[in-house]
Amino acid sequence: KAGVTQTPRYLIKTRGQQVTLSCSPISGHRSVSWYQQTPGQGLQFLFEYFSETQRNKGNFPGRFSGRQFSNSRSEMNVSTLELGDSALYLCASSTGATGYSYEQYFGPGTRLTVT
Amino acid sequence: AQSVAQPEDQVNVAEGNPLTVKCTYSVSGNPYLFWYVQYPNRGLQFLLKYITGDNLVKGSYGFEAEFNKSQTSFHLKKPSALVSDSALYFCAVRDTAAGGGNKLTFGTGTQLKVEL
Repeated sequence: KAGVTQTPRYLIKTRGQQVTLSCSPISGHRSVSWYQQTPGQGLQFLFEYFSETQRNKGNFPGRFSGRQFSNSRSEMNVSTLELGDSALYLCASSTGATGYSYEQYFGPGTRLTVT
Repeated sequence: AQSVAQPEDQVNVAEGNPLTVKCTYSVSGNPYLFWYVQYPNRGLQFLLKYITGDNLVKGSYGFEAEFNKSQTSFHLKKPSALVSDSALYFCAVRDTAAGGGNKLTFGTGTQLKVEL
């Protein structure tokens, strides 16, 4: 079974621009979560989508948004990029059944650099 | 709010020796605990989880973890370390207030270095 894929793997953007990152979950997985990893803040939860609905949201500004499509693929968007948005963005998928804690499987990440 | 603490930024161990990577947690309700490993320039790989049941959980690559409710700990262990185990290890707890969702709170990570 193919793993979680993320595109692009690397991205360089300029302050003020916007960016869209894509994540394809493992086949059959309906939950997709996004995390930001930085040396200073570590791993922080951005949001989770399940069956095209946002189920959970972390403490990030409204510039960070996401969506999920009917095939469970997800995208996250960051508008008006700031230097501090430079990070590794990780996507994770799981079966997502409510009330049971399944392990999450992570993609390789998208390395975003904002200059 | 849930939290996990990994008190050691780095653990050094000789190949062939047992290793322990420490994790303590703070949750309201029953803890759902996980260990993940991250190799350079890679995403996180799932190692094992504790949901309920036996306090000794066995996982991938020979790793195991011991859940101790009274000490609120979930230490990762391996009887015999390999150089290839050198990586960054994260402990995580599921947010049980997340409405059944999959929000994880991660520790700060422990860099494991296994030397010959």
